[in-house]
Amino acid sequence: AQSVSQHNHHVILSEAASLELGCNYSYGGTVNLFWYVQYPGQHLQLLLKYFSGDPLVKGIKGFEAEFIKSKFSFNLRKPSVQWSDTAEYFCAVNGDTDKLIFGTGTRLQVFP
Amino acid sequence: SAVISQKPSRDICQRGTSLTIQCQVDSQVTMMFWYRQQPGQSLTLIATANQGSEATYESGFVIDKFPISRPNLTFSTLTVSNMSPEDSSIYLCSVEEVLSGGDTGELFFGEGSRLTVL
Repeated sequence: AQSVSQHNHHVILSEAASLELGCNYSYGGTVNLFWYVQYPGQHLQLLLKYFSGDPLVKGIKGFEAEFIKSKFSFNLRKPSVQWSDTAEYFCAVNGDTDKLIFGTGTRLQVFP
Repeated sequence: SAVISQKPSRDICQRGTSLTIQCQVDSQVTMMFWYRQQPGQSLTLIATANQGSEATYESGFVIDKFPISRPNLTFSTLTVSNMSPEDSSIYLCSVEEVLSGGDTGELFFGEGSRLTVL
């Protein structure tokens, strides 16, 4: 069965700090990988996704994520965070089914 | 991208009652998904709603508790039956973007229905 682990439950950063949020999944086959973001009071929206090709994918708002197949990881990064990046971030995996399995989420707080 | 409207956006319900949540999509979609997001937790898939067939429920969720209708390709409802405080949650409808070639694209989400059961 597929599962997704996000080890950072709550991250607090100052503006301009670099960000890396961990995501590991368990599934041996071909996967599609996603990062979703939920800003306070808003609905979930897609940040970026990986299907195939270049394992380094770039998303909106300066975010990127790297798929490392040997580590079953898809970590999210941003070189310099802003206060407006304060949100909840969810990693999600879609393997052999059409179901999208979500991680437990990481709450990011950025202080000016 | 699909635009999804959910109603109600929030409600406060009494224990033992039932509430039906509606999900309307602005385009025809094959599969619709219902998720639950309990306070401080991630999204958990309740069921997949396919038009013309019974919904497929995930482990831990049953039709008697969460009956789903899917009368056409743009609409679905989820009913939370015989509610208890443990059912207090955000319920989310989502649809899948299917790319050419059949690959799965992203999920689009409604804004959710926040239920509080007293």
